[in-house]
Amino acid sequence: DIQMTQSPSSLSASVGDRVTITCRASQSISSSLNWYQQIPGKAPKLLISVASSLQSGVPSRFSGSGSGTDFTLTIVSLQPEDFATYYCQQSYNTPWTFGQGTRLEI
Amino acid sequence: QVQLQESGPGLVKPSEALSLTCTVSAGSTSSYYWSWIRQPPGKGLEWIGFIFYSGITNYNPSLKSRVTISVDTSKNYFSLRLTSVTAADTAVYYCARVPSRDGYPPYYFDFWGQGILVTVSS
Repeated sequence: DIQMTQSPSSLSASVGDRVTITCRASQSISSSLNWYQQIPGKAPKLLISVASSLQSGVPSRFSGSGSGTDFTLTIVSLQPEDFATYYCQQSYNTPWTFGQGTRLEI
Repeated sequence: QVQLQESGPGLVKPSEALSLTCTVSAGSTSSYYWSWIRQPPGKGLEWIGFIFYSGITNYNPSLKSRVTISVDTSKNYFSLRLTSVTAADTAVYYCARVPSRDGYPPYYFDFWGQGILVTVSS
C-alpha cells in the first residue's frame, strides 16, 4: 500500500494567515493526489483534484501543488470557515489511501 | 446536483453482517465508480472499495475477505455488505462517487453522502 504522511498533524493559525500543509507519498504517485476538507460532523468535501485542479465553487485562496512524492495545500488569507481538518488522498494505486489528516485550529 | 444518501441499521451485533445502501438521486448509477469509505470515531478516513457501473469491483485488501459491494442500476442505488463485524468496524460509513465515466483516471471523490454511524455492540 502507498502510505500518505501529512505534516503537521495539527496547526494553529489566525484569520488572515497563510498556511501550508504538506503531504508525502511513500512512492511516486505522479499527480494522482486529491485534497479534502472536513468540518466536524460533516462529510469530507473535495477541494483539489490531480494535485492542483481547484474544484468548481472552491474559493481561490486554496491552491495545491506538487508531483511525484511531495505535495502541498496552501490557504492564503484564512477565513473563519477554513478551520477544519484537511486530508490528502492518493488515487495512483489501489488501495486508495488517505493521509492521517491535519487539524487546522484557531 | 447529484445527492447520495446512506441508509441501514445503526447498530449491529458482533459477528453479524453490516449492510448499508446508498441511494443516488439527481444522477444515475449507470456510469461512474461508486465507493464506500469509513471513518472510526475521532480517526481518519479508510477506503473500503468501489464498484464500476459495469459491476467490476475493487476492495481494500485489509477488508477484502469480508466485503461485498453491489449496484442496482435500475433502482439507482449501490450497497455495502461487511461480514463478521467486530468493534473495530464501528465507524461512520460514507458513500461517494468517483466521476470517471470511462474507467480511466483521474479518480477522486466528488460527491459524498452525509454518512451513517454504525456501532458494533451486543
